[in-house]
Amino acid sequence: AQSVTQLDSQVPVFEEAPVELRCNYSSSVSVYLFWYVQYPNQGLQLLLKYLSGSTLVESINGFEAEFNKSQTSFHLRKPSVHISDTAEYFCAVSEVRGGGNKLTFGTGTQLKVEL
Amino acid sequence: DSGVTQTPKHLITATGQRVTLRCSPRSGDLSVYWYQQSLDQGLQFLIQYYNGEERAKGNILERFSAQQFPDLHSELNLSSLELGDSALYFCASSVGPGTEAFFGQGTRLTVV
Repeated sequence: AQSVTQLDSQVPVFEEAPVELRCNYSSSVSVYLFWYVQYPNQGLQLLLKYLSGSTLVESINGFEAEFNKSQTSFHLRKPSVHISDTAEYFCAVSEVRGGGNKLTFGTGTQLKVEL
Repeated sequence: DSGVTQTPKHLITATGQRVTLRCSPRSGDLSVYWYQQSLDQGLQFLIQYYNGEERAKGNILERFSAQQFPDLHSELNLSSLELGDSALYFCASSVGPGTEAFFGQGTRLTVV
């Protein structure tokens, strides 16, 4: 069965500093990978995705993630964070089995950006 | 706005009662997913439908059931409610398997 591990439950960082949120997954088949962001009292928003092709994917607001098959990782990075990046970030993995598409989420990482 | 609509936004009910949560997917999306988010369990996948058929099942209790109707909207029915069922319930939709899911704003259920 697929699973996702986000080792860091909270990551405090100062504004304009770089950040990396770690995500590891396990699966017996090929996967699709996603990062979602959740702001307080809101639903989850898709941040970026890896379906195929280039292993480095980028979002419009400066985040990037790299799919590493050998290490089964999909870490999220940003070279310089802003106060507005404070939110909870969820890594998710999807397998396609028998036409189903179960999207499994990690436990989330709370990113807190401080001045 | 993701295009996924969930109603109601908030729901307060007593233990033992039954409630129905409704979800309208984005236009053109055939897959609907239901998730439960609570502080102690995190984001748990409940069930997925694709074009009216159940396609994947997660940690959904027997007291819970769902369906997707011909117009593709979905309902999640929760019965014999317990205090521990208090949570945020999210619906998400996607075009189909292997594509990203778009989430609604959620229904906050409080069981008292």
